[in-house]
Amino acid sequence: ETGVTQSPTHLIKTRGQQVTLRCSSQSGHNTVSWYQQALGQGPQFIFQYYREEENGRGNFPPRFSGLQFPNYSSELNVNALELDDWALYLCASTSDLRGRPTEAFFGQGTRLTVV
Amino acid sequence: AQKITQTQPGMFVQEKEAVTLDCTYDTSDPSYGLFWYKQPSSGEMIFLIYQGSYDQQNATEGRYSLNFQKARKSANLVISASQLGDSAMYFCAMREAGQTGANNLFFGTGTRLTVIP
Repeated sequence: ETGVTQSPTHLIKTRGQQVTLRCSSQSGHNTVSWYQQALGQGPQFIFQYYREEENGRGNFPPRFSGLQFPNYSSELNVNALELDDWALYLCASTSDLRGRPTEAFFGQGTRLTVV
Repeated sequence: AQKITQTQPGMFVQEKEAVTLDCTYDTSDPSYGLFWYKQPSSGEMIFLIYQGSYDQQNATEGRYSLNFQKARKSANLVISASQLGDSAMYFCAMREAGQTGANNLFFGTGTRLTVIP
């Protein structure tokens, strides 16, 4: 197991609601990335945070937003949930902005169900 | 165009046999990295092996090796001596040097590997 923990592990929300997912990064890692993995698909990059600022964003609308805290933990917020947001959300951490993804450690993800 | 293509939705292999999982990629960036991850049913993505675009030799990590054919833009994963615990989803991914964010990985759709006793 890696040192990356995500909470909650499972969540059920209704359309239009807002959700917050949390990620504690590996000790010593200051960069956190979030991915969305829809059923039967590979993960898609949402965005990355480095030293509390967003650094890099994939093709996701502004209702997907995030935060990184001084202890490098992170939150993913999704507003106005849609059925298409039903997915596994993965968090990954690395040691620094230039860290090769070989050093990236993933959490076990949060399974979000939208009904 | 898809940046990563995995054409095998599912593969079966006999225990102790070798298996090759296919991956082709598309990029115009001369500097890129290729990765393979294993995803068991628990959901966690487990890093297996990495190949840089300028690496001269094929990467190897224990029972995993990457068959890198740059001209063909392919990066196939070879698992030798398959074990029952190898049953999982396998994803090929790529990072382009020109992308913002060190972890901006593009993933394929994955191959589900089943190891038969």
